[in-house]
Amino acid sequence: EDQVTQSPEALRLQEGESSSLNCSYTVSGLRGLFWYRQDPGKGPEFLFTLYSAGEEKEKERLKATLTKKESFLHITAPKPEDSATYLCAVGLGGGNKLTFGTGTQLKVEL
Amino acid sequence: DGGITQSPKYLFRKEGQNVTLSCEQNLNHDAMYWYRQDPGQGLRLIYYSQIVNDFQKGDIAEGYSVSREKKESFPLTVTSAQKNPTAFYLCASTLGTANGYTFGSGTRLTVV
Repeated sequence: EDQVTQSPEALRLQEGESSSLNCSYTVSGLRGLFWYRQDPGKGPEFLFTLYSAGEEKEKERLKATLTKKESFLHITAPKPEDSATYLCAVGLGGGNKLTFGTGTQLKVEL
Repeated sequence: DGGITQSPKYLFRKEGQNVTLSCEQNLNHDAMYWYRQDPGQGLRLIYYSQIVNDFQKGDIAEGYSVSREKKESFPLTVTSAQKNPTAFYLCASTLGTANGYTFGSGTRLTVV
């Protein structure tokens, strides 16, 4: 059965304290690994798509990496405005469908 | 600016009622999707449509119905057959997954 698991469920960091979020997957026929940011009461915002093991993408303080079994979202020197829930999703089958993990709720404190 | 508009933002349903959630996009995207989000669970796919006048069931389609009469519009009806409809509903569209989905701002449905 295709599965996407995110860890930790919640993470509290001090401003400037770098860390990583994990997304592990067991799927057949992966068609991309996606990261989204979701603020409370809003729709998710697209961050990155990764397709191949070894691929990396960066955006400001965020860097996403991909291996054959997992992806990491590295947050370097986070700021309070980085506080949000980060969702991981995998593309499966036809129809551009995505299967989502349950997310990591990140809180960055001053 | 292009985007996806979901309305209403909040919706209250009485037991036994059908309600319809609106989703409109002006991005010229072919594919549109409806997801449901519950606390502690990932987004779950209800229905999706890749072209006008065609749509497919997702993982949790029971108790829901959709239509796709126009490229821009993909309304979702939550019927009385859906026993636990209280949730946050998200509509999305895409040109192709390389660009990711664009999501609307969601509709929070509550049964009263």
